[in-house]
Amino acid sequence: EVQLVESGGGLIQPGGSLRLSCAASGFTFTDHWMHWVRQTPGKGLMWVSRIDNLGTSTNSANSVKGRFTISRDNAKNTIYLQMNSLTAEDTAVYYCARKANAWGQGFDYWGQGTLVTVSA
Amino acid sequence: QAVLTQPPSVSGTPGQKITFSCSGTTSNFGGNPANWYQHLPGTAPKLLINNNNERPSGVPDRFSGSKSGTSASLAISGLQSDDEGDYYCAAWDDSLDGWVFGGGTKLTVL
Repeated sequence: EVQLVESGGGLIQPGGSLRLSCAASGFTFTDHWMHWVRQTPGKGLMWVSRIDNLGTSTNSANSVKGRFTISRDNAKNTIYLQMNSLTAEDTAVYYCARKANAWGQGFDYWGQGTLVTVSA
Repeated sequence: QAVLTQPPSVSGTPGQKITFSCSGTTSNFGGNPANWYQHLPGTAPKLLINNNNERPSGVPDRFSGSKSGTSASLAISGLQSDDEGDYYCAAWDDSLDGWVFGGGTKLTVL
């Protein structure tokens, strides 16, 4: 059974840093690109960042570029999201999601999410 | 402001067929397919439709998708109370070099 389990969320002051983790199991981790998607309170989903299956290529949304860094440890079947210079606008539930391999397919598995609250 | 445009809400009665719309641009729907997600309260989002009209394994055939030009739509037939939740369209955007979502449509089953 495919499982994605996020951790690392919490309350952080503006300007602070936080690292989220997503532990994957139940599939061949190195076969899939992985993503972070967030949902801000009362708003919709927003794609945050992605990493290829080997960890050699990444990209992020413009709103987090330069502040957030996605990485992965294929030996641990885990992806990470290092978040720096956090602002209130980054308050959201952060989901990790697995991208299905075929072109045209979407995010076929999601974790339950971890809540990040940026507040003084 | 979401890149893909969805109406904020839609409602229907049990057994009815309803349709969700999603409007994009040439940089996303012009060359890339639409995916649809269901997000029920307290749960993780669930992939409903791949590649404009393909249902992943386990998704009932009550759900169907289509795309024409820069617009996509999701239909739910035989509406059930369990279908209440938020529905999002998504696509890869070539200009932004990233995935974009619609703002979501909240479905209320009366």
